[in-house]
Amino acid sequence: ETGVTQSPTHLIKTRGQQVTLRCSSQSGHNTVSWYQQALGQGPQFIFQYYREEENGRGNFPPRFSGLQFPNYSSELNVNALELDDSALYLCASSLAGTSDYEQYFGPGTRLTVT
Amino acid sequence: KNQVEQSPQSLIILEGKNCTLQCNYTVSPFSNLRWYKQDTGRGPVSLTIMTFSENTKSNGRYTATLDADTKQSSLHITASQLSDSASYICVVSGKTDSWGKFQFGAGTQVVVTP
Repeated sequence: ETGVTQSPTHLIKTRGQQVTLRCSSQSGHNTVSWYQQALGQGPQFIFQYYREEENGRGNFPPRFSGLQFPNYSSELNVNALELDDSALYLCASSLAGTSDYEQYFGPGTRLTVT
Repeated sequence: KNQVEQSPQSLIILEGKNCTLQCNYTVSPFSNLRWYKQDTGRGPVSLTIMTFSENTKSNGRYTATLDADTKQSSLHITASQLSDSASYICVVSGKTDSWGKFQFGAGTQVVVTP
């Protein structure tokens, strides 16, 4: 176990709805990254939060947004859900934002959009 | 075009046999390369990390090699066990990535059969 937790485990939403996914980082970690992993694919970087500020973003539209709280836990919000948003959403925490630091992944949230 | 390509896409091996997975990348300039193991429906778990100056790194029955000149890496699994059945993902970071943005391969799905 990595100490990174995510909730909920599974979620089913309808196209057009909004969803919020949550991540609790490993103790002592101040950086959280979010990834989207489609079936049979590697994770795709969505964005990263470092000390409550967005610290980098991948090629995802603005309807993907996030927050990081003072305790370094994080939320991923997705508005106007589309069928292609169905995926495993992973969060990973690390000591800092650079690639030198190891990332520890949570178990993921499986989102299904119908 | 994905900057990290893995092969084969999938493979089936008998318990006790060895296998080798390949990773080719175009990320430049290069910072480090990681191999992750991802069980179905779970988050990836780090196996090895190698920087530019390292040619090989072992973690139990897993041995990773890196040739930074040809931009190739391999992961060798020795004496495979049923618990080795998983997806193995190659992840590369570039030096320009001041924040923790990683380039993920699509993974190699390994199935170990009795």
